[in-house]
Amino acid sequence: DTGVSQDPRHKITKRGQNVTFRCDPISEHNRLYWYRQTLGQGPEFLTYFQNEAQLEKSRLLSDRFSAERPKGSFSTLEIQRTEQGDSAMYLCASPPSGSSYNEQFFGPGTRLTVL
Amino acid sequence: GIQVEQSPPDLILQEGANSTLRCNFSDSVNNLQWFHQNPWGQLINLFYIPSGTKQNGRLSATTVATERYSLLYISSSQTTDSGVYFCAGSGWGSQGNLIFGKGTKLSVKP
Repeated sequence: DTGVSQDPRHKITKRGQNVTFRCDPISEHNRLYWYRQTLGQGPEFLTYFQNEAQLEKSRLLSDRFSAERPKGSFSTLEIQRTEQGDSAMYLCASPPSGSSYNEQFFGPGTRLTVL
Repeated sequence: GIQVEQSPPDLILQEGANSTLRCNFSDSVNNLQWFHQNPWGQLINLFYIPSGTKQNGRLSATTVATERYSLLYISSSQTTDSGVYFCAGSGWGSQGNLIFGKGTKLSVKP
C-alpha cells in the first residue's frame, strides 16, 4: 500500500457521458500529479498541483478535461463528453509526507472504458 | 522534452536466470525511478536512484548520471518477477513530473 488511494477502481461509461475520478494522496503532502496510461505504453503526465494551485498542464489535457484540488487535499479529474480514445488507466501520484525530494508513489489507478 | 528509451522491449527468462534492463535518457535528469507494474496495473516502486548504486534483495540498480543511463539487475529470477518494468525521470527545471519509457515486459518461465 503506497498510501495513495483512488476511486473508483474501474469505470465503464458510454461515449458522451461525463466521468469524475478522485485521488486521495499521501496525507499532508503538497504535491500531486495525474498521469494517463494507455495499453502498451508508459504513463504520460497530465497535470500537477502544488497545494490547491494547478501549476502545470500537459498538452494531452484537452478542454474536455478539468482537474481540481480544493483545499490542497484530495483531487478530482473530470472528463466531459467522453470519447473512446479516453479509454485508459488514470493514475495519480504524490511524494511521501515530509519528503524533500521527488520520489513519487502511485495510487492503484482508475481504469476507464468508454463504449 | 526528455526522451526515455528502454531496452530490451521484451525479455523471456527461465526461472533462476539473471537479467539486465537498460534505460537511456536524452538529457540529464534530477530524479530517476524504477517501477514494476503488476498485472493489476499497480506501479510498485523499486528504486529511487538519480545516481549511484543501490541494492534490495535480488534487485539492484546503477545510474551513471553523467552518461545518462541506468541499469536494473535482476538476479535469480522468479516467476513473480514477471510484469512490466518502467524507468522514469524528471528534467531539471521541471515541476517533477516523470517522463516514462515504454517499459520492458519480462516473462519468467518456471
